[in-house]
Amino acid sequence: QSVLTQPPSVSGAPGQRVTISCTGSSSNIGAGYYVHWYQHLPGTAPKLLIYGNSNRPSGVPDRFSGSKSGTSASLAITGLQAEDEADYYCHSYDSSLSVVVFGGGTKLTVL
Amino acid sequence: QGQLVQSGTEVKKAGASVKVSCKGSGYSFTSYGISWVRQAPGQGLEWMGWISAYNGNTNYAQKLQGRVTMTTDTSTSTAYMELRSLRSDDTAVYYCARDPAGTTYSYNYLDVWGKGTTVTVSS
Repeated sequence: QSVLTQPPSVSGAPGQRVTISCTGSSSNIGAGYYVHWYQHLPGTAPKLLIYGNSNRPSGVPDRFSGSKSGTSASLAITGLQAEDEADYYCHSYDSSLSVVVFGGGTKLTVL
Repeated sequence: QGQLVQSGTEVKKAGASVKVSCKGSGYSFTSYGISWVRQAPGQGLEWMGWISAYNGNTNYAQKLQGRVTMTTDTSTSTAYMELRSLRSDDTAVYYCARDPAGTTYSYNYLDVWGKGTTVTVSS
């Protein structure tokens, strides 16, 4: 059971908007620790998508955005494309466990 | 931008050790740390620990303390992760990732990842 909870799967049609939630607690996201997001296609290297809650590394399309509120964070993807089909993971730190934590991952299917 | 290239697939017996390598290129290797993350089949990502490529400082996940050792060889820009006393639940894909924490560990994002090394532990 992951400390950060993500929905196992989400789906959307091309061009639509989807959001992926990452729910934590007062000892991680709620404590103010940054949330980062990664995109991962099995067999490839995971890719940093969002860092510091809402910042995009250079080269990441602005279709991807991140936000944080309270003990949760969200990744939004607009203008969904077939190439967005992948697994997405959130990442933060938990002060009670004194360890880096990841969400369980969300599989995005583009219909 | 940087690239990390990992060593190939490993198959080990329970109780043995495995050492995975991760060679950095395209960036100043000693200006960053390397974090190791693993993913067991059907599971999420698990952070294993961090090493400074500058001074060798380490920070291991408590769960793996005593079984894991992370090292670097700055002459070849290579990081290593050795895991001992392997068990079946150590079967996973092991990733190295570049960590902006260069000398002292502080929680950070991981901006460049290797493609992963599959380690299978059989009984």
